[in-house]
Amino acid sequence: KQEVTQIPAALSVPEGENLVLNCSFTDSAIYNLQWFRQDPGKGLTSLLLIQSSQREQTSGRLNASLDKSSGRSTLYIAASQPGDSATYLCPDRGSTLGRLYFGRGTQLTVWP
Amino acid sequence: EPEVTQTPSHQVTQMGQEVILRCVPISNHLYFYWYRQILGQKVEFLVSFYNNEISEKSEIFDDQFSVERPDGSNFTLKIRSTKLEDSAMYFCASTTSRGLGAYNEQFFGPGTRLTVL
Repeated sequence: KQEVTQIPAALSVPEGENLVLNCSFTDSAIYNLQWFRQDPGKGLTSLLLIQSSQREQTSGRLNASLDKSSGRSTLYIAASQPGDSATYLCPDRGSTLGRLYFGRGTQLTVWP
Repeated sequence: EPEVTQTPSHQVTQMGQEVILRCVPISNHLYFYWYRQILGQKVEFLVSFYNNEISEKSEIFDDQFSVERPDGSNFTLKIRSTKLEDSAMYFCASTTSRGLGAYNEQFFGPGTRLTVL
């Protein structure tokens, strides 16, 4: 059964810090990787999609890397802001049909 | 920007009643999904749907659940006889048809919060 481990489980930092969120997978068949954020009581917002042929993808202050050989992905958040506070998720793709397996995520709090 | 929409945002029902949760996927998308999230727990896959049939389903998706695409825009999840443990946030998602579904970005709706009393 696919498992997704996200480290740290929770992170509380003052604004302005550069952050590193880690994700690891038990399944090495990584098709691609999509990072999401989830605000409390809300839906999932797509942040970045890294194709399996890529090593990284950037969007604004976000940069995500993918290492298929080790089954890991890292999300870097530069110059964090209070608006970045949310739970960050990096589900594993369970099949070619797109089924996603979610971990518990990293709960990020950025305080002013 | 196109988005996935879901109605209602909150549904309260009595145990044993049938509920239908509705989703309107992004218009040019052809793969559709339902997920659920029990309060405080992980998001869990329920079912995927492509070409008017179920592609894949989880062990959660038992005979009490069904999905349908009744017309060209709606995608529905029906729970025939709700149980207390069905209380959760239900998310619909969709993705484009380019290549296999696994390679494409999934877009999620805002969710329907189902409360079973």
